[in-house]
Amino acid sequence: EPEVTQTPSHQVTQMGQEVILHCVPISNHLYFYWYRQILGQKVEFLVSFYNNEISEKSEIFDDQFSVERPDGSNFTLKIRSTKLEDSAMYFCASSGDRSGANVLTFGAGSRLTVL
Amino acid sequence: DQQVKQNSPSLSVQEGRISILNCDYTNSMFDYFLWYKKYPAEGPTFLISISSIKDKNEDGRFTVFLNKSAKHLSLHIVPSQPGDSAVYFCAAISRGGADGLTFGKGTHLIIQP
Repeated sequence: EPEVTQTPSHQVTQMGQEVILHCVPISNHLYFYWYRQILGQKVEFLVSFYNNEISEKSEIFDDQFSVERPDGSNFTLKIRSTKLEDSAMYFCASSGDRSGANVLTFGAGSRLTVL
Repeated sequence: DQQVKQNSPSLSVQEGRISILNCDYTNSMFDYFLWYKKYPAEGPTFLISISSIKDKNEDGRFTVFLNKSAKHLSLHIVPSQPGDSAVYFCAAISRGGADGLTFGKGTHLIIQP
């Protein structure tokens, strides 16, 4: 069964450092998403991406965050200068279309720990 | 501002009995609702969904009920099995809107033998 692959599974970084989280969405999907879950809290929407540009973003997704699809398969989330409160599980997801079932397939997540 | 609320952080059910997970929402613009299941160290996995034009959707042991007037939905699992032990997230979206899925905080379902 097709799956969304995320790397690294766990990254530890110092506050102020840049972090890039990698995702390989399902190959024929067109919509890509990043969500995060701070420990003990709900899963929160960060950003969606379609046709090589951001289609929607939440208030969380400020200027410290950026996304990129550098080639035909990868979808990356960059945090320019990490803060302690960025520590969370970051989930990448993809879906085949926006207007249909909105069924997102999620990756296993990348745990980010900011010290 | 919790637009999607799952008021039970955990639920314990005996194997073979019915599990009922509840979810309430406040945003009347939501028109599509989904349930995701999450095991430890894995991402959420889609389970079942329902459009606001329906009040029930069934898929095997899983049934989702939607009460639009009460802004309430529930997931029924019957019979419950040990492999159903997981965290269940309710999610909602306004398909004409500008935001992604809005998730509840999740309910940890524990199936006891």
